[in-house]
Amino acid sequence: DTGVSQDPRHKITKRGQNVTFRCDPISEHNRLYWYRQTLGQGPEFLTYFQNEAQLEKSRLLSDRFSAERPKGSFSTLEIQRTEQGDSAMYLCASRMGSGSVGELFFGEGSRLTVL
Amino acid sequence: AQKVTQAQTEISVVEKEDVTLDCVYETRDTTYYLFWYKQPPSGELVFLIRRNSFDEQNEISGRYSWNFQKSTSSFNFTITASQVVDSAVYFCALSEAYYNNNDMRFGAGTRLTVKP
Repeated sequence: DTGVSQDPRHKITKRGQNVTFRCDPISEHNRLYWYRQTLGQGPEFLTYFQNEAQLEKSRLLSDRFSAERPKGSFSTLEIQRTEQGDSAMYLCASRMGSGSVGELFFGEGSRLTVL
Repeated sequence: AQKVTQAQTEISVVEKEDVTLDCVYETRDTTYYLFWYKQPPSGELVFLIRRNSFDEQNEISGRYSWNFQKSTSSFNFTITASQVVDSAVYFCALSEAYYNNNDMRFGAGTRLTVKP
């Protein structure tokens, strides 16, 4: 499979617990993005990496959120001390090159439910 | 700041009807890129088309066609002879080349239901 893969697909957790999501981008893509999507809304940008460098973070990304992309391959998104408002679909996307011209290739998402 | 508006929240049609999904955008950039994505129930966003701001030619791909009009800041999507498999949420998106070139901004989406 050469697409973007995300794990786990679903996560149910209790408020206050930590969760971590993993994304494996398309192998030759140097840019990796995290988006969040809530019900009835379009995806909202959280952060992106070019290779291993995290170059931009949205104001949506509170200090409870941290993302890494060691060695410029897979990425992890960790949410600490989860809150019910964190319940959403977390989408990972990747693309090749620089700038904004290319389309994003999305994974199937990781759905988080915080009880 | 860049903004994408999809005023139609939900559309329901009967199979074989034509349907147009509207998209209006705002940007201060002179170079930008417009996209349409399809999100079926499985959840994965599927890329449909990209349009550059300097290319206003309309495009047709099978039953799909796109009408880009800079004068009205619109990038509408038409499905001809709709089919049940077209049922999905469709998102219009915008990327700016200079001002905010790391953030692809999505509209809220239009849920299309095609009934047999």
